[in-house]
Amino acid sequence: DAKTTQPNSMESNEEEPVHLPCNHSTISGTDYIHWYRQLPSQGPEYVIHGLTSNVNNRMASLAIAEDRKSSTLILHRATLRDAAVYYCILTNYGGSQGNLIFGKGTKLSVKP
Amino acid sequence: ETGVTQTPRHLVMGMTNKKSLKCEQHLGHNAMYWYKQSAKKPLELMFVYNFKEQTENNSVPSRFSPECPNSSHLFLHLHTLQPEDSALYLCASSRDQGAGPYGYTFGSGTRLTVV
Repeated sequence: DAKTTQPNSMESNEEEPVHLPCNHSTISGTDYIHWYRQLPSQGPEYVIHGLTSNVNNRMASLAIAEDRKSSTLILHRATLRDAAVYYCILTNYGGSQGNLIFGKGTKLSVKP
Repeated sequence: ETGVTQTPRHLVMGMTNKKSLKCEQHLGHNAMYWYKQSAKKPLELMFVYNFKEQTENNSVPSRFSPECPNSSHLFLHLHTLQPEDSALYLCASSRDQGAGPYGYTFGSGTRLTVV
């Protein structure tokens, strides 16, 4: 089973911020938190990742809870092109199978 | 272009055919993966290779046969498939198994239809 849980779907209006939550209560000290997104009929693409501190890049921000048992992907201004399935996954070195399993992700719909 | 190239992009095959899917990466990654994604379903891990050695087989039927001749190439040989095997087959690679801080790089996938 996947080690992360996410809501099945979320909706947003265009140009509004979007907060996508992810729970990973069994995270270990060496697990990184990665986020990917998948557009229809394409492979998942990297969005952002972090270990303990909050992270920002040109695509998004990642807020990590102090206890690391949850995280939130923040899209500051949603566009129609951000409509996709967003996956949160834990990664580490060695890769036990549990860390290689993607959950169902969150399907984000963006309304104009 | 992600750096992971999958061919063909689309494939239609009969249930008695034999075909192969190809995945190639020149990112210097040591681990490669096959995932299956059926319609409206999550990604299913199929096989994992690390330094050309298979390290995970997620109870995949024998009609799917992987091959990893070197760290840059991964194949999925298909024979006597069933219509329910129709799906998007995705290849991924990572620097090391488990991806660590570097994450995975996915190909664009092969859309397989079994008729």
